[in-house]
Amino acid sequence: KQEVTQIPAALSVPEGENLVLNCSFTDSAIYNLQWFRQDPGKGLTSLLLIQSSQREQTSGRLNASLDKSSGRSTLYIAASQPGDSATYLCAFYAGNNRKLIWGLGTSLAVNP
Amino acid sequence: DGGITQSPKYLFRKEGQNVTLSCEQNLNHDAMYWYRQDPGQGLRLIYYSQIVNDFQKGDIAEGYSVSREKKESFPLTVTSAQKNPTAFYLCASSMFQLGRNQPQHFGDGTRLSIL
Repeated sequence: KQEVTQIPAALSVPEGENLVLNCSFTDSAIYNLQWFRQDPGKGLTSLLLIQSSQREQTSGRLNASLDKSSGRSTLYIAASQPGDSATYLCAFYAGNNRKLIWGLGTSLAVNP
Repeated sequence: DGGITQSPKYLFRKEGQNVTLSCEQNLNHDAMYWYRQDPGQGLRLIYYSQIVNDFQKGDIAEGYSVSREKKESFPLTVTSAQKNPTAFYLCASSMFQLGRNQPQHFGDGTRLSIL
């Protein structure tokens, strides 16, 4: 069964910290992996998509890495801000059929 | 601005009633998707469509129906056969590129509750 696990489920940090969110998956034959952000009561915002041939992607203060051999992806957030507070979800494409397999997310609180 | 518009934001359903959730996109995306989100569970795919006039069942299609008559629109009907419809419904879309999955982009969701 294809599964995605995100650890920790919740995280609270002071403003300014660098932090890492973890995502592990059971299927090494993934095609690519996508990180999203969800604010309370809102839809999802796509942050980064890593193709299977890539090892990382960067956007501003965000850096996502992908290690297919170990079944892991990490989302690194540099110099965290209160505005980063949200739930972060990872999902991978299992094959080219456009179906995403979802984790349950990490709820992040950045305290001023 | 390009994006995905879901309406209404909140919807209430009576017993035995069908309700339709709207999803419109002006991103010129080929593929569109409907997901259901429940507390403590990952997003679950209800239906998806890769081209106009074609759609496929996802993992939890029972009690739902869709149509794709226009590229921009992918409405979801929650029928009376869906016995537990209370959830947050999310619509998404993506470009099509042969051999390469493109990022999915999401609307702001519709929260459906039972009266």
